Amino acid sequence: SQKIEQNSEALNIQEGKTATLTCNYTNYSPAYLQWYRQDPGRGPVFLLLIRENEKEKRKERLKVTFDTTLKQSLFHITASQPADSATYLCALDSGGYQKVTFGTGTKLQVIP
Amino acid sequence: EPEVTQTPSHQVTQMGQEVILRCVPISNHLYFYWYRQILGQKVEFLVSFYNNEISEKSEIFDDQFSVERPDGSNFTLKIRSTKLEDSAMYFCARTGSGANVLTFGAGSRLTVL
Repeated sequence: SQKIEQNSEALNIQEGKTATLTCNYTNYSPAYLQWYRQDPGRGPVFLLLIRENEKEKRKERLKVTFDTTLKQSLFHITASQPADSATYLCALDSGGYQKVTFGTGTKLQVIP
Repeated sequence: EPEVTQTPSHQVTQMGQEVILRCVPISNHLYFYWYRQILGQKVEFLVSFYNNEISEKSEIFDDQFSVERPDGSNFTLKIRSTKLEDSAMYFCARTGSGANVLTFGAGSRLTVL
C-alpha cells in the first residue's frame, strides 16, 4: 500500500540555521509533490509544489528537492526564524484532480 | 482568491446524532474536497466532489457519510449517526489554478460525546 513517511519526532533548531525536513514515500508515482505548513488548530497552508521532472524548486527562504529514484523529497528552510515553527506536511499528488495524500508531518521548533 | 469558509467552527454532539458541516459560500469552483484530521494524526482524505457528483472517496467515507451541494453554493458533509471515533477536525478544501494545490478552510472541530 502507499506510504508516506516523515520524521515523526520534532525537529528543534537554532534560529538562523537551516532546517531540513525529509519526506520518503513507497508504492507511489506522484506527478507532483507538495509541501504545506500547518499551525495548531488551523488548516494546512500550501507552500511549494514540485513536479516529477523537476529536481529543485525555490521560493524565498524555502527550497524543495525531489528525487523520484530515491522516492524522496527534502524541504529546506534557510535562515530559520521562530515564526517558522509549525508542522510541515508532505503531500503526494497524482494530478488530474485526484486526491492529494498527506504524510504525518514533522513538527519544527525554531529556538531563538 | 477568496478563502474557504467553514461552519460551524466547533460542534459538540451526542453519539448517534446527525451532524452537518458546511463550506460557505463558494462560487466558481468545481472541485471540492473533505479531509479530516483526528487529534495528533495526519490529514486524511474523505471525498472529492466535482460537478455535483462524488469524484473519489476513501475507505473512511462509508454509508454514514454523504456530501451534497444543495443550493449551488453551500457544500455540505453530513454524518448520519455519529460515533465517538468521528471526533476530529474536518476540513473543506478547493483546488486553485494548476495541479491539485489545495486551499483549506479553517476547519470544523467535531466532538462526539
